[in-house]
Amino acid sequence: EVQLVESGGGLVQPGGSLRLSCAASGFTFSSYNMNWVRQAPGKGLEWVSYISSSSNTIYYADSVRGRFTISRDNAKNSLYLQMNSLRAEDTAVYYCARDKGLTLAAFDIWGQGTMVTVSS
Amino acid sequence: QSALTQPPSASGSPGQSVTISCTGTSSDVGGYNYVSWYQQHPGKVPKLMIYEVIKRPSGVPDRFSGSKSGNTASLTVSGLQAEDEADYYCTSYAGSNYLVFGGGTKLTVL
Repeated sequence: EVQLVESGGGLVQPGGSLRLSCAASGFTFSSYNMNWVRQAPGKGLEWVSYISSSSNTIYYADSVRGRFTISRDNAKNSLYLQMNSLRAEDTAVYYCARDKGLTLAAFDIWGQGTMVTVSS
Repeated sequence: QSALTQPPSASGSPGQSVTISCTGTSSDVGGYNYVSWYQQHPGKVPKLMIYEVIKRPSGVPDRFSGSKSGNTASLTVSGLQAEDEADYYCTSYAGSNYLVFGGGTKLTVL
């Protein structure tokens, strides 16, 4: 079964750091570009970051650039999001999402999400 | 990276058709044929419904169709069913900014 499972969410104080992980299974992880997408409570979806299959190309949303770092370990079938200098507005469910192959910016597989709460 | 513009809400009766618009700019929707649509039921994970403006992933009913004209993309749901009630989000490839989401539209089946 094709699956993405996020972990690492939790409660963190403003200014703190957190590292999210996404474990992939059921497909050749190293062949797919990956993304992080977040959704604040009661709000819409917001794309956060993209990393190509070989890590050669990385993009960030303006709202997180300079604070978040996306990375991956293809040997471990894992995607990561290092989040520093966290703010209250970063509070959200964070999803990892697979770019559908042979196209751009279409996410065909999503994880169940991990909740990040930034609060004192 | 401004969000794409969607109407906050849309509605229709069972069996009717409803169209949801998604307006961007020439830097995203108008510049590329990489518009996608997602369906999200409350408490659930988003589901890809349309990609590359008009294509449906395997398993998505043909009641769902997409189109684009200029800087505006549209999702049409024909033959509305109760289970179509959900939030719908559009996205577009945006070049070096990679991707931008719309604000979402809550579809109500009356």
